Amino acid sequence: AAGVIQSPRHLIKEKRETATLKCYPIPRHDTVYWYQQGPGQDPQFLISFYEKMQSDKGSIPDRFSAQQFSDYHSELNMSSLELGDSALYFCASSLRDPPEKLFFGSGTQLSVL
Amino acid sequence: GDSVTQMEGPVTLSEEAFLTINCTYTATGYPSLFWYVQYPGEGLQLLLKATKADDKGSNKGFEATYRKETTSFHLEKGSVQVSDSAVYFCALLNSGNTPLVFGKGTRLSVIA
Repeated sequence: AAGVIQSPRHLIKEKRETATLKCYPIPRHDTVYWYQQGPGQDPQFLISFYEKMQSDKGSIPDRFSAQQFSDYHSELNMSSLELGDSALYFCASSLRDPPEKLFFGSGTQLSVL
Repeated sequence: GDSVTQMEGPVTLSEEAFLTINCTYTATGYPSLFWYVQYPGEGLQLLLKATKADDKGSNKGFEATYRKETTSFHLEKGSVQVSDSAVYFCALLNSGNTPLVFGKGTRLSVIA
């Protein structure tokens, strides 16, 4: 069965650079979530989209933005990267109704040097 | 707001020992409850879930029962294996489009 696909798997950037992370949800899933997981931390919710519109907003810095496209894939854009942005970024998808389990991608490991 | 509290780790057990990882929650309404597992170097995987009170989720020998009276969803396994070594996250999903809320995670190490 198709799963949530994230790319790239690993990304190395320098401070003040930009990064774009991509997420391809499970077919027919209408909701996408982005989570950030720092080393040894629990995943923190960043932002979500339902039917290409922003649905909910968590602890996403102003330097980050995201969108969901017509094919339901989503991109997380990160600018002016800081050392503290180094983390594992997970994308998850689900059906909004009924709200059931989330399916997670394998994540993008971002290292900011 | 909604929150999940898990027992602090790390938890170290010998193979074939009994495992309990406590999880309690605070939420309005009637949330669904989940356990996710994260193996070293991998993403989060759903382990089991329960969507209403008294439901029991089970998978791979793990079990958890949704206890509304104690707002708990403790994870148990009768006999752990070395391959169960991972980080376990309790999580809550409330109705509507609210995001999944995770506990802090509990690292389990099983030694042979």
